[in-house]
Amino acid sequence: NAGVTQTPKFQVLKTGQSMTLQCAQDMNHNSMYWYRQDPGMGLRLIYYSASEGTTDKGEVPNGYNVSRLNKREFSLRLESAAPSQTSVYFCASSELEVSGYGYTFGSGTRLTVV
Amino acid sequence: AQSVTQLGSHVSVSEGALVLLRCNYSSSVPPYLFWYVQYPNQGLQLLLKYTTGATLVKGINGFEAEFKKSETSFHLTKPSAHMSDAAEYFCAARSGSARQLTFGSGTQLTVLP
Repeated sequence: NAGVTQTPKFQVLKTGQSMTLQCAQDMNHNSMYWYRQDPGMGLRLIYYSASEGTTDKGEVPNGYNVSRLNKREFSLRLESAAPSQTSVYFCASSELEVSGYGYTFGSGTRLTVV
Repeated sequence: AQSVTQLGSHVSVSEGALVLLRCNYSSSVPPYLFWYVQYPNQGLQLLLKYTTGATLVKGINGFEAEFKKSETSFHLTKPSAHMSDAAEYFCAARSGSARQLTFGSGTQLTVLP
């Protein structure tokens, strides 16, 4: 099915461990985004990539890095996980970095850091 | 900077009653506006969007929203709630120069039998 695929769906990490969250879209979208969702705080932008080869910081980038591997894939890396990074992470894509376009979301990765 | 405010983090309605979820945005320039729905353990799905043209926008599942520039609002309504409407709803905005969407904090809708 066309859309945004995230892996893994669930993950438990120990403090200090590292991991990469994977995201791939098959809609030929140019722009991709990583958000985190925490109760009562809505979605907050971590990083985004307006087009292949570019990445920019969002509202809450500290503790994260990203790679836009190609047009389809946009990964999020936690180098040294902290309990404050316990959250649900969503990847999204958009046809263009243009105002009238909405996003297509993946189903999320639930990350717990203990 | 763009901000989006959703009044009421939790809203409960009876099945068959009117659903009204409130959203206000802050922008001197009318933005592009969106409503998303999130069912438990799922990602967000687009319900409807306002870009230009008619201020009353119809979406999926019987939802609609009206853009009111004078009130800087984009409230979501549905005439008759169904049990399957129980979910979390997010309002989002994107002004002309912004490079990404700004989301509200969400409203959890409960539908009572």
